[in-house]
Amino acid sequence: AQTVTQSQPEMSVQEAETVTLSCTYDTSESDYYLFWYKQPPSRQMILVIRQEAYKQQNATENRFSVNFQKAAKSFSLKISDSQLGDAAMYFCALVGTSGSRLTFGEGTQLTVNP
Amino acid sequence: DGGITQSPKYLFRKEGQNVTLSCEQNLNHDAMYWYRQDPGQGLRLIYYSQIVNDFQKGDIAEGYSVSREKKESFPLTVTSAQKNPTAFYLCASSIFQGGTNEQFFGPGTRLTVL
Repeated sequence: AQTVTQSQPEMSVQEAETVTLSCTYDTSESDYYLFWYKQPPSRQMILVIRQEAYKQQNATENRFSVNFQKAAKSFSLKISDSQLGDAAMYFCALVGTSGSRLTFGEGTQLTVNP
Repeated sequence: DGGITQSPKYLFRKEGQNVTLSCEQNLNHDAMYWYRQDPGQGLRLIYYSQIVNDFQKGDIAEGYSVSREKKESFPLTVTSAQKNPTAFYLCASSIFQGGTNEQFFGPGTRLTVL
């Protein structure tokens, strides 16, 4: 079994500031992928960033980066220079390479204040 | 353009009726999934299919049924046995073996029971 926990139901940030969303997980898989998905008010799920567990280097996509701590089973998302369009629900998710089931956290609602 | 389509966007059902939600993908993905999302909550897996003519129950399959007669299509039927079907339903697809196991999502269907 695998679990994903997001301990921050809500977060807020000022426009242009930096915010970090937390995620911890547990899995028995030796190899797996981690994802952050964004769900704006339109409710379309959009992939923000992915991390392969076998890679030590933290993934980066423009203003989005992760802090992947494999031993601690932690996978936080940092959003730099926050923009109003970043306001959304953010979900952390995990899938093992031996299967196809994606396990989601409960989500963090991010508000960006102008 | 490759992607996943879901129809209809909004669906209203009277109590006691069965309804079918459509999901089609042209990404040539082997695996397809159905999720349910309730307000302010994460995604819960209903059913998934890794190959044509085969599917498995997810975490909340009771009251739902699916079929996978074609690779491109994975319709979900919400039966009268589902006691609380009002929710947002998301369909997704992924490459089953190989790749990053990333799931691509459709725009969703909002089902309301009158």
